[in-house]
Amino acid sequence: EAQVTQNPRYLITVTGKKLTVTCSQNMNHEYMSWYRQDPGLGLRQIYYSMNVEVTDKGDVPEGYKVSRKEKRNFPLILESPSPNQTSLYFCASSPTLNTEAFFGQGTRLTVV
Amino acid sequence: AQSVTQLGSHVSVSEGALVLLRCNYSSSVPPYLFWYVQYPNQGLQLLLKYTTGATLVKGINGFEAEFKKSETSFHLTKPSAHMSDAAEYFCAVSEGASKIIFGSGTRLSIRP
Repeated sequence: EAQVTQNPRYLITVTGKKLTVTCSQNMNHEYMSWYRQDPGLGLRQIYYSMNVEVTDKGDVPEGYKVSRKEKRNFPLILESPSPNQTSLYFCASSPTLNTEAFFGQGTRLTVV
Repeated sequence: AQSVTQLGSHVSVSEGALVLLRCNYSSSVPPYLFWYVQYPNQGLQLLLKYTTGATLVKGINGFEAEFKKSETSFHLTKPSAHMSDAAEYFCAVSEGASKIIFGSGTRLSIRP
């Protein structure tokens, strides 16, 4: 089944404790991205990647890192999480930018 | 710069009534336009998209949207609402650049 898989689905952590949210897609898509969803703000892009080893900042990259060592994986790294990073995070992939994006189920992160 | 405005953060209609969710965009070049739906505790899934060609686009679950260049609009409609349509809906625009811009979302409630 074609899908984007994020893990974990739910995470509660403490300020400053490094964490990684994994994202994997099995559709051989070149384009992958991370979004955060906050009430009233819709989805805002954090980082995106147009291919292996090619990543760039989105609208809200501060406090986040990504890597794209393999085509299928695009992990999101929070080196030192802060409470303002409490949010719902989505990973998405698509063959190219202007085609349908496939979204993961989301990761609800709470930083206390 | 491209942007998306969804009018109305919350829309409530009676079951069987017309659904109209409004979306206006700004774009300096012909845009690609999308509507996504998000059910509770799930990721986003594509309802429909406009790329080129016919301006009336039909999507899944009986939804359709019309691209009106002169009004820079891409409103989503459904003739008869069903209880299962209750969800959050996002309009999005892409200019073929590096990202897709999402609107802030409209929550659709259906009254019995």
